[in-house]
Amino acid sequence: GENVEQHPSTLSVQEGDSAVIKCTYSDSASNYFPWYKQELGKRPQLIIDIRSNVGEKKDQRIAVTLNKTAKHFSLHITETQPEDSAVYFCAASMAGYALNFGKGTSLLVTP
Amino acid sequence: DADVTQTPRNRITKTGKRIMLECSQTKGHDRMYWYRQDPGLGLRLIYYSFDVKDINKGEISDGYSVSRQAQAKFSLSLESAIPNQTALYFCATSYTGELFFGEGSRLTVL
Repeated sequence: GENVEQHPSTLSVQEGDSAVIKCTYSDSASNYFPWYKQELGKRPQLIIDIRSNVGEKKDQRIAVTLNKTAKHFSLHITETQPEDSAVYFCAASMAGYALNFGKGTSLLVTP
Repeated sequence: DADVTQTPRNRITKTGKRIMLECSQTKGHDRMYWYRQDPGLGLRLIYYSFDVKDINKGEISDGYSVSRQAQAKFSLSLESAIPNQTALYFCATSYTGELFFGEGSRLTVL
């Protein structure tokens, strides 16, 4: 099955700086790559996703890039704010299959 | 968001007991999932179902079983609970892409 690796496991940045989280996947047939944010004590929620026919997608301060050849994708958060502090999960799936998640990155944004 | 409801929210049980976690949804989605969350291990897929007659094993199905009683209901059972099944369990639904998670069921097996 699909194997998703996520790095780093923890990330600390100062408010206003950028944060980058990277993921790799194993199955070249995977075509859907979402990112979820989980605040402390809450359920994961989708923040952005990308499909394999697109190389980059942006939504305000958040962007995701996809390199199909290298089988990796990244989440970029610019101008970080304390409320960005959370655990972020990447995931990947093929059509007709369930999502497989990375192990998560705990992001801390310090004022 | 009460569209995906899990019961119980918290449960403490003993080794060897049978436990059922229930999930119901009002989103009208055909696809339902059970994931397990452990610190440092992320969200691991236990079982998933793409319609009422479809059940598929995930990466960690051993020790678990599921039942899809209706489009809106998907239950997870632990036939004989063991301590390493102590975890936070999430049910989720989807139409095609985005997963919508329930609030989670925290299970402790003593």
